[in-house]
Amino acid sequence: EAGVTQFPSHSVIEKGQTVTLRCDPISGHDNLYWYRRVMGKEIKFLLHFVKESKQDESGMPNNRFLAERTGGTYSTLKVQPAELEDSGVYFCASSLAGNQPQHFGDGTRLSIL
Amino acid sequence: GQSLEQPSEVTAVEGAIVQINCTYQTSGFYGLSWYQQHDGGAPTFLSYNALDGLEETGRFSSFLSRSDSYGYLLLQELQMKDSASYFCAVRDRTRDAGNMLTFGGGTRLMVKP
Repeated sequence: EAGVTQFPSHSVIEKGQTVTLRCDPISGHDNLYWYRRVMGKEIKFLLHFVKESKQDESGMPNNRFLAERTGGTYSTLKVQPAELEDSGVYFCASSLAGNQPQHFGDGTRLSIL
Repeated sequence: GQSLEQPSEVTAVEGAIVQINCTYQTSGFYGLSWYQQHDGGAPTFLSYNALDGLEETGRFSSFLSRSDSYGYLLLQELQMKDSASYFCAVRDRTRDAGNMLTFGGGTRLMVKP
C-alpha cells in the first residue's frame, strides 16, 4: 500500500510569488489533514478535509492560504502571495476515519527568499 | 491554550531502556499518540492511547494516565536506528468538529554504541 505522498519535496521561491503544494493521501482515506512546522516551533494543524469538504480550517494562518480537495482524492495547498514567515515544512496526513491514526507524508520544505 | 511538554533531548546507549515523558494541557482530549521522525522524513505513527494504562508493541510501549494528564513512550533494547525525534500528540476535536493533533516540541533521542 502506497503511503501519503507529497510534491514537491522542496520548493524555493521569492517573496510575493505563488506556490502550490500537492498531497496524495493513502487510497481510500476520506480524512486528509494539512500541518506545518515553521523553524523552531511545533508541528501545527492547518485544516481537515472529509472527502471533498473542509471539516475545519481553523488553523489556516490567513487568507493567503487556500486548500482544495476537488473530487475528494488529492489535495492542494496554495500560498499566494508567499511571505517570508511562510517558510517551513508542510506536512499532509490522512486517516481512514476521524478517530483512526493519522499517517503522514514526508512533507514539502518551503523556503521563501 | 494547548500545550504539551516533553524533554528536548535524551541520550542512551545501545541495548538500554529509555522513557520519554509527555505532559499535556489541552482543552479537549481524545487520546495521546506517539510519532517517530528521522531527519527529513515523515512522522511515523508508533502508538495511540485513548484509555489509561500500558500499550505494548514490540520493543515500544506507551502509557497514559488521563487523571495526571501524563503519558510516556518506553523504548527497550535500544538500537542505533532508534536515533530519531519522538513526538507526543494529543488528538482533539476542533470547535467545528474536525479532528486535529496538537504536537509537543519533540524529543531528540541519540543512541550511542
